[in-house]
Amino acid sequence: SQQGEEDPQALSIQEGENATMNCSYKTSINNLQWYRQNSGRGLVHLILIRSNEREKHSGRLRVTLDTSKKSSSLLITASRAADTASYFCAPRLTGANSKLTFGKGITLSVRP
Amino acid sequence: NAGVTQTPKFQVLKTGQSMTLQCAQDMNHEYMSWYRQDPGMGLRLIHYSVGAGITDQGEVPNGYNVSRSTTEDFPLRLLSAAPSQTSVYFCASSYRSGNSPLHFGNGTRLTVT
Repeated sequence: SQQGEEDPQALSIQEGENATMNCSYKTSINNLQWYRQNSGRGLVHLILIRSNEREKHSGRLRVTLDTSKKSSSLLITASRAADTASYFCAPRLTGANSKLTFGKGITLSVRP
Repeated sequence: NAGVTQTPKFQVLKTGQSMTLQCAQDMNHEYMSWYRQDPGMGLRLIHYSVGAGITDQGEVPNGYNVSRSTTEDFPLRLLSAAPSQTSVYFCASSYRSGNSPLHFGNGTRLTVT
């Protein structure tokens, strides 16, 4: 079963705007990862946040984690047309060794 | 660096045929896995391996076999292809540490008629 659920399923914004994507999960985690998938390609790792971290930044990306609510959000600031892609969250469950399951993803469209 | 290499990129099979999807990585990763991606279903884990000689089932293992005789290679075998196995297949690898990100190949698009 998929452990992470992304919300919304689709998001369309204008270039320069910020994009916020959310992820919820059900059980305790070691970390939570976000990935991007461009059309026709494999997934690319964006950022990993550990269960004892609350916020992490990487360039224009900001990820937050609230373990009490079992949720995470990914913020892309000053979006560009090149950010158009699908985004997936992947919570790494406690005790799951390296196994990683993915949600259904969010389709982000950034209009020029 | 080649990273994770999947072959072939595209394949068409008839129902009942068998084939092997190849996956190789050159990063000395202990962990390797196979996913299938279908519209509206996201990525679903088929099989995974935490090291040579060790494999385990994921969410949707039926109809697929795997083996891991070397660290580098993790082939996925379809024993008797069915139209329900039409999908895009991704191989991914990582270090065994739970804090290591997955590296994905670019996928194999399989159609079963």
